[in-house]
Amino acid sequence: ETGVTQTPRHLVMGMTNKKSLKCEQHLGHNAMYWYKQSAKKPLELMFVYNFKEQTENNSVPSRFSPECPNSSHLFLHLHTLQPEDSALYLCASSQEGTNSYEQYFGPGTRLTVT
Amino acid sequence: DQQVKQNSPSLSVQEGRISILNCDYTNSMFDYFLWYKKYPAEGPTFLISISSIKDKNEDGRFTVFLNKSAKHLSLHIVPSQPGDSAVYFCAASARAGGTSYGKLTFGQGTILTVHP
Repeated sequence: ETGVTQTPRHLVMGMTNKKSLKCEQHLGHNAMYWYKQSAKKPLELMFVYNFKEQTENNSVPSRFSPECPNSSHLFLHLHTLQPEDSALYLCASSQEGTNSYEQYFGPGTRLTVT
Repeated sequence: DQQVKQNSPSLSVQEGRISILNCDYTNSMFDYFLWYKKYPAEGPTFLISISSIKDKNEDGRFTVFLNKSAKHLSLHIVPSQPGDSAVYFCAASARAGGTSYGKLTFGQGTILTVHP
């Protein structure tokens, strides 16, 4: 595997379910991100993990819970979601501590909350 | 308040002609700008970037221009090809509180369609 991978690619869940999204980066990067993309809206940053420590929580509701066990893996645990949480969830990684800010994205998980 | 704006939701261009995608920003602290391309069912792919110390950066068919006084940047694609048809996002970054991680603020995207 190369680049940034995300599983599952599609997820349908009820409002009472608990599920997790997984992201893995094979680029040797030290920072990972979760973004949300809703229809006709810009990508919204949700969480940043820099050197495995959460450095940003962009006012995300507690029903979204991130976990970063190491610099290559990032999870987003979901519970009691609302229909308005249906969106494309994108994971990204970057190498921080340099002067470039390129982030490399995975293909995303299309989440539908019923 | 949206700090990065792409005011054209879509752009249609003939193959071989120039495509010009525009982006405006409001935050004067932004010091690095990026363009991403996104195909359906894929994540955004990094295309080209520019630092605020430059006003132009070129990579093959893609050139990004930055006008700091106008807080405006543009992406030129010459010549345009049908395979360039995608959604294009501009993004901007500023050092946050002295940290070096690159928090990106994205525009809404512009759908580019290149007709054969």
